[in-house]
Amino acid sequence: DIQVTQSPSFLSASVGDRVTINCKTSQNINRYLNWYRQKLGEAPKLLIYGANSLQTGIPSRFSGSGSGTDFTLTISSLQPEDVATYFCLQHDSWPNTFGAGTKLELK
Amino acid sequence: QVQLKESGPGLVQPSQTLSLTCTVSGFSLTSNSVHWVRQPPGKGLEWVGAIWSGGSTDYNSALKSRLSISRDTSKSQVFLKMNSLQTEDTAIYFCTSNWDYWGQGVMVTVSS
Repeated sequence: DIQVTQSPSFLSASVGDRVTINCKTSQNINRYLNWYRQKLGEAPKLLIYGANSLQTGIPSRFSGSGSGTDFTLTISSLQPEDVATYFCLQHDSWPNTFGAGTKLELK
Repeated sequence: QVQLKESGPGLVQPSQTLSLTCTVSGFSLTSNSVHWVRQPPGKGLEWVGAIWSGGSTDYNSALKSRLSISRDTSKSQVFLKMNSLQTEDTAIYFCTSNWDYWGQGVMVTVSS
């Protein structure tokens, strides 16, 4: 199975800060990586697909980059409503596997 | 719009069978795959299995011997059945369509 190492596990930032979250995979997955936001008690929401494509309706402050084994989710200017847990999913190889998640809090 | 909603018992006794339903709307099960994913308390997400648009299934190899996924396309429902439940199966169970849209999950506790 492909291992997905997500970092950091916890992140505390201020409104307006630039925030980056990383996922590293144990094998080349090209660009088959998605990013999600999960708020407590809500359904996970797709933010980025194909490593760098913004899902319809997602604010442009979210962006994704990377290919191969190293990927980054960036929030250009953190907003209060961005407080959530973020996770990545590799869907290049079966079984598809997830990063462990990053809990983002406001400082 | 696309919606998925999981339903099922919140509490299951050890060694019993778990039955969950994912009711979908906004798309056809004959066009989209549906996956089941679970998240034990305080842990990461784990892919459980999938039913593809054509009706074939794939299962997590660690769960395969205990797991069955099926569907009723006329009712837009996907079913998960897992037998011989243990406390380690305690988790939030999600269904997701093509990894795009997710339900909010259902908490399943395995306890006597």
